Amino acid sequence: SYELTQPPSVSVSPGQTARITCSGDALPKQYAYWYQQKPGQAPVLVIYKDSERPSGIPERFSGSSSGTAVTLTISGVQAEDEADYYCQSADTSDTYVVFGGGTKLTVL
Amino acid sequence: QVQLQQWGAGLLKPSGTLSLTCVVYGGSFSGYYWSWIRQPPGKGLEWIGEIDHSGTTNYSPSLKSRVTISGDTSKKQFSLNLTSVTAADMAVYYCAAFGVGGSGFDYWGQGTLVTVSS
Repeated sequence: SYELTQPPSVSVSPGQTARITCSGDALPKQYAYWYQQKPGQAPVLVIYKDSERPSGIPERFSGSSSGTAVTLTISGVQAEDEADYYCQSADTSDTYVVFGGGTKLTVL
Repeated sequence: QVQLQQWGAGLLKPSGTLSLTCVVYGGSFSGYYWSWIRQPPGKGLEWIGEIDHSGTTNYSPSLKSRVTISGDTSKKQFSLNLTSVTAADMAVYYCAAFGVGGSGFDYWGQGTLVTVSS
């Protein structure tokens, strides 16, 4: 079955830039989405259609796409950004939804 | 704004059937794909399946043989049935709404912790 691959963890200091990648063979054909999840809470959408930011999401969150990989970039990381981040997309036939394994962002 | 409220049994015996329902407040039922997503304790998100306003369903290949998602447009609610549960099905189960325009899973239910124990 189709899989999306993310690094298990990323660590950055406050004020630095965090980049979280997600790779998958269908990403050139399918949009990617990113979700932030804090402990005990439901996920929150932070990026949709590769690079669009929902209303209410800070401008420091951005997304990009290149070939079989997409990247979530958080510029000027703040302590409150410490969370798990999941990418999400669909298989090439657009039949089912897939989530990446998640990346734990630690703010040092 | 769309709000999702879900309910269902939180404790099941092995081999039993998990049943959850999610009701939609606000928004258009035809404007979203309605999904169930689960998260085992300490693990990542897993998509279970979805239904649209016409009743068309799609399921995760790994769960397809045990899952049924049904919907009631008039009541603006949709339900999940998962049969033959085991300890591997223990998770927080979320209902969620994915915009038909590709806006992502904009809205999530509050989550239901389902425990499987004899």
